[in-house]
Amino acid sequence: EVQLVQSGAEVKKPGESLQISCQTSGYDFSNYWIGWVRQMPGKGLEWMGIIHPGDSTIKYSPSFQGRVTVSVDKSISTAYLQWSGLKASDTAMYYCGRQPANFNYGYAFDIWGQGTMVTVSS
Amino acid sequence: DLQMTQSPSTLSASVGDRVTITCRASQSFSTWLAWYQQKPGKAPKLLIYKTSTLESGVPSRFSGSGSGTEFTLTITSLQPDDFATYYCLQYMTFGQGTKVEI
Repeated sequence: EVQLVQSGAEVKKPGESLQISCQTSGYDFSNYWIGWVRQMPGKGLEWMGIIHPGDSTIKYSPSFQGRVTVSVDKSISTAYLQWSGLKASDTAMYYCGRQPANFNYGYAFDIWGQGTMVTVSS
Repeated sequence: DLQMTQSPSTLSASVGDRVTITCRASQSFSTWLAWYQQKPGKAPKLLIYKTSTLESGVPSRFSGSGSGTEFTLTITSLQPDDFATYYCLQYMTFGQGTKVEI
């Protein structure tokens, strides 16, 4: 069974660093991009960035470039989303999603993680 | 930057209704558009990819069409389980969402 399991909810203070994870199983990690999507409370979905585990190619949305870092650890089939200086405006649910590298699904994420809620408050 | 404009933002409908949601791209970028359904507190669920291909397990009352800069999600005979928010996605840009409510 294909699964993307995200790390648990986080509560942080402004200025702190954070890394959340997306652990995958049930498929060949190197053959699918892993992307990250933000959903602020009561708001819509925002595409943040995506990484290809096979060659570590990364693409960021201009809105998130320089604000977050995406990475992977192929040895444990896990993707990460990292902040170095959180702001209150980073409070949101963050989802990871899988995108087939052969573009059989176009640019769609076919399987999603359950989401990680990040709360940034002083 | 590519922008995706969904309409309407909110749609009031009844069980059995035919519902149409439109997504317009600010430029003709790709024919590959996806549609998602999201319920409160849940991750989005893929319904349609590559504009018109139904994801496995998705009921056939959902269909997608379009080309160029205009794309459509149609739900024929709305069911109680279909009341949710729907998003389109093209490349790196989501539409702002359409809430389908009773």
